[in-house]
Amino acid sequence: AQTIHQWPVAEIKAVGSPLSLGCTIKGKSSPNLYWYWQATGGTLQQLFYSITVGQVESVVQLNLSASRPKDDQFILSTEKLLLSHSGFYLCAWSPTDSGNTLYFGEGSRLIVV
Amino acid sequence: KTQVEQSPQSLVVRQGENCVLQCNYSVTPDNHLRWFKQDTGKGLVSLTVLVHENDKTSNGRYSATLDKDAKHSTLHITATLLDDTATYICVVGDRGSALGRLHFGAGTQLIVIP
Repeated sequence: AQTIHQWPVAEIKAVGSPLSLGCTIKGKSSPNLYWYWQATGGTLQQLFYSITVGQVESVVQLNLSASRPKDDQFILSTEKLLLSHSGFYLCAWSPTDSGNTLYFGEGSRLIVV
Repeated sequence: KTQVEQSPQSLVVRQGENCVLQCNYSVTPDNHLRWFKQDTGKGLVSLTVLVHENDKTSNGRYSATLDKDAKHSTLHITATLLDDTATYICVVGDRGSALGRLHFGAGTQLIVIP
């Protein structure tokens, strides 16, 4: 069975500090990977997607970057956090051959102070 | 401009009652529509996906319909349970591949009381 794991579960960070959020998918090779962001009480927005190792496409940047260093790993990061980065970050995956099937991780909650 | 509108914004029902959630959208093309359940502070869990014109799906106490002509979907929850308390999110995909965009509604917050 496939599993998706996000880390950290929650984090409080200072404005201007760096951030790294991770996502790992086990049990599925070459998944499509996605990052989504949800402001508190807001609507989910797609940030990035990746269909293969080393390739990441940006949908909405929000002064964030993403990388896929391994087939099963997707990293979201920034060198300098802004207050507006606070929210809930969700990683998701879909099988390569099916773009309308989507599985979400449990999310990482970020509070920037 | 919001392309996926959900109503009502929030809803309170008593345990055991049925409820209906609405989703209207303007996304074009509309390849598929999916309903998700999101518990507070948690990830999204897929309830059902609708693909074809006039699709109807059923997943236990959840059933959904899609009218692509009207660009409208409904999610029915029968015999609600306390655990159904959550936000229900309607998502429209413009393609059936990773290259497509997903358009999210703001969700309907359902509260089930004893």
